[in-house]
Amino acid sequence: GDSVTQMEGPVTLSEEAFLTINCTYTATGYPSLFWYVQYPGEGLQLLLKATKADDKGSNKGFEATYRKETTSFHLEKGSVQVSDSAVYFCALSPLKGGKLIFGQGTELSVKP
Amino acid sequence: DARVTQTPRHKVTEMGQEVTMRCQPILGHNTVFWYRQTMMQGLELLAYFRNRAPLDDSGMPKDRFSAEMPDATLATLKIQPSEPRDSAVYFCASGLVRTGDEKLFFGSGTQLSVL
Repeated sequence: GDSVTQMEGPVTLSEEAFLTINCTYTATGYPSLFWYVQYPGEGLQLLLKATKADDKGSNKGFEATYRKETTSFHLEKGSVQVSDSAVYFCALSPLKGGKLIFGQGTELSVKP
Repeated sequence: DARVTQTPRHKVTEMGQEVTMRCQPILGHNTVFWYRQTMMQGLELLAYFRNRAPLDDSGMPKDRFSAEMPDATLATLKIQPSEPRDSAVYFCASGLVRTGDEKLFFGSGTQLSVL
C-alpha cells in the first residue's frame, strides 16, 4: 500500500545551520506530496506542497522538490531559526481522494 | 481566523468507560477526518467523511469505535468501552476537497488517557 518514510529524529542543529529532512514515498499513480509542521501542543499546519513531478513547494524559507525518479520529497532550509523547532511530517495524498498518509514525523530542535 | 475546534482538549478516564470526542469543522468544508497520534504508530487515519457521508473507516476498530456526523457543524468519535491502548492524541481535520491536493486544517487535538 501507499506509505511515507522519513528520516528518524531528533535532529538537533545550531541556529543558521542548513537543514535537510529526508522523505521518500511509495505510491501507485501520481500522488500529491506535502510537508506539515506541528508545534508543541498544537495541531498540524500545512508548510508546503507539490502536486506533480519536478514541482517545487516553498514557504517561510523551506523548500521541497517532487522527484518522481527517486520517489523523494526532501525538506530543506538554508538557515534555520530557533522558532523552527517543531515536528515535521511528510505526507502524500493518493488517488486524489483528499486523505493524507503521513510519515512518522521528524523532530527538529534548533539551539541558539 | 476560521479554525477547527475540538473538545475536550484533555480527557482522563478509566478503562471500560465511554469516551466522546467532538469536532466542529470549518464552515463550508466538505471533508472531515479523524486521526490518532501515538509515539509508536505516528499519525493513523481512523475515518473520514465527505459531505457528512462516511467514505472510509477502515482504520478504526469497529468493535469499540464509532464516528458520526450528525450535522455539518459537528463530527463525533466515540469509544465504548475504552481501553488503556486507546490512550493517544486524537485529531480532527477538515478541508474543502475537490482534487485531493487541498490544504487540511487540523484542530488542536484531544489528549486521551485511559487508566
